[in-house]
Amino acid sequence: GAVVSQHPSWVICKSGTSVKIECRSLDFQATTMFWYRQFPKQSLMLMATSNEGSKATYEQGVEKDKFLINHASLTLSTLTVTSAHPEDSSFYICSATIGTGDTGELFFGEGSRLTVL
Amino acid sequence: DQQVKQNSPSLSVQEGRISILNCDYTNSMFDYFLWYKKYPAEGPTFLISISSIKDKNEDGRFTVFLNKSAKHLSLHIVPSQPGDSAVYFCAASAGTYKYIFGTGTRLKVLA
Repeated sequence: GAVVSQHPSWVICKSGTSVKIECRSLDFQATTMFWYRQFPKQSLMLMATSNEGSKATYEQGVEKDKFLINHASLTLSTLTVTSAHPEDSSFYICSATIGTGDTGELFFGEGSRLTVL
Repeated sequence: DQQVKQNSPSLSVQEGRISILNCDYTNSMFDYFLWYKKYPAEGPTFLISISSIKDKNEDGRFTVFLNKSAKHLSLHIVPSQPGDSAVYFCAASAGTYKYIFGTGTRLKVLA
């Protein structure tokens, strides 16, 4: 299957700093990528839809100034958590689509665990 | 409002037996469903999908059943293996790649 890679897999930062997480599609071009957040023992929560060359579409309740998303190329999307606080500590996962139709498989990255001290 | 629900947070099954994981949804516009398997600290791995035009899809040991009238789908794993122990998520979409995920069911297959 298609491969999506995230980096870093684990990051610890001080409160007030910004952290960037990268999501790459390694063997295919992804027009659309998605960013999720998972709290312990809870479901994946869609944060935003990232489209190459345009602004991301954020879900209700997600602060776009807090979670900056950039989809600079067809193989790379980045999520920057700005001025991180302990409540931003979570597991962040990206996914990408390979199909050209409306629905199909999502391929997920390995996830990035953020711990804000 | 939880549009996709997995009411059983956990399930234990003996190795070799059938595992049945259930998922209910409320949005009648959902027309494509996926099941994912997730290990701790890893991204989900795609297992199997089904579109609303079908009521069953089979792939090896995994079979997904869809009951549109009941807004219910289930994942059957036969025979269950210890390596199947993981958290399973169902996800649904309504004509787009924007999927809504259930809360997950933790499956434990006992050797």
